[in-house]
Amino acid sequence: DTEVTQTPKHLVMGMTNKKSLKCEQHMGHRAMYWYKQKAKKPPELMFVYSYEKLSINESVPSRFSPECPNSSLLNLHLHALQPEDSALYLCASSQNVLLWDYEQYFGPGTRLTVT
Amino acid sequence: SQQGEEDPQALSIQEGENATMNCSYKTSINNLQWYRQNSGRGLVHLILIRSNEREKHSGRLRVTLDTSKKSSSLLITASRAADTASYFCATDANAGGTSYGKLTFGQGTILTVHP
Repeated sequence: DTEVTQTPKHLVMGMTNKKSLKCEQHMGHRAMYWYKQKAKKPPELMFVYSYEKLSINESVPSRFSPECPNSSLLNLHLHALQPEDSALYLCASSQNVLLWDYEQYFGPGTRLTVT
Repeated sequence: SQQGEEDPQALSIQEGENATMNCSYKTSINNLQWYRQNSGRGLVHLILIRSNEREKHSGRLRVTLDTSKKSSSLLITASRAADTASYFCATDANAGGTSYGKLTFGQGTILTVHP
């Protein structure tokens, strides 16, 4: 199974809502990532988890809260978002981050709209 | 500074023609990767070339890397309508060590292949 799944596919939320994005992989990967992608732009790294520990936070606002409950699951908790946070949120995984060469496997993304 | 600039920004060709995309980067790297993204979907890894490699092939794909010029090119031969997508290069900018998962993506080239 070389698939990364993400739920939901689409999410519309108000600025006062709390919601969560979910990502799952069963490839035995020990690194998982969250990216944000605006239209016609490249993905921008938000967070990296390595062996279930947060290893990189790219100065992401605290209204985004990542969580890695186990090696297969990655969540992104959303609270008090702004309309400019509307984007495609991509999850990815890779074997681990300690190798020099590793490809990342991406999920299909969650299209988030903040109203 | 922006790591991974690509040109052209957009490329439109007919089926059967070859498509060439270029990527330039600014810092030393361990490897350079190319990804494809179909409209609004997740990214798919195409090929990885290490800093000590000059050329790599995978099916209809040919990637070259010139570390002295800090540039790479992706050639897709005998293109098909199904190749229509955005193509991104990605670099891990920590030569001699691990980047701990941090890939930086170029701005991307939008390829349109007309049947």
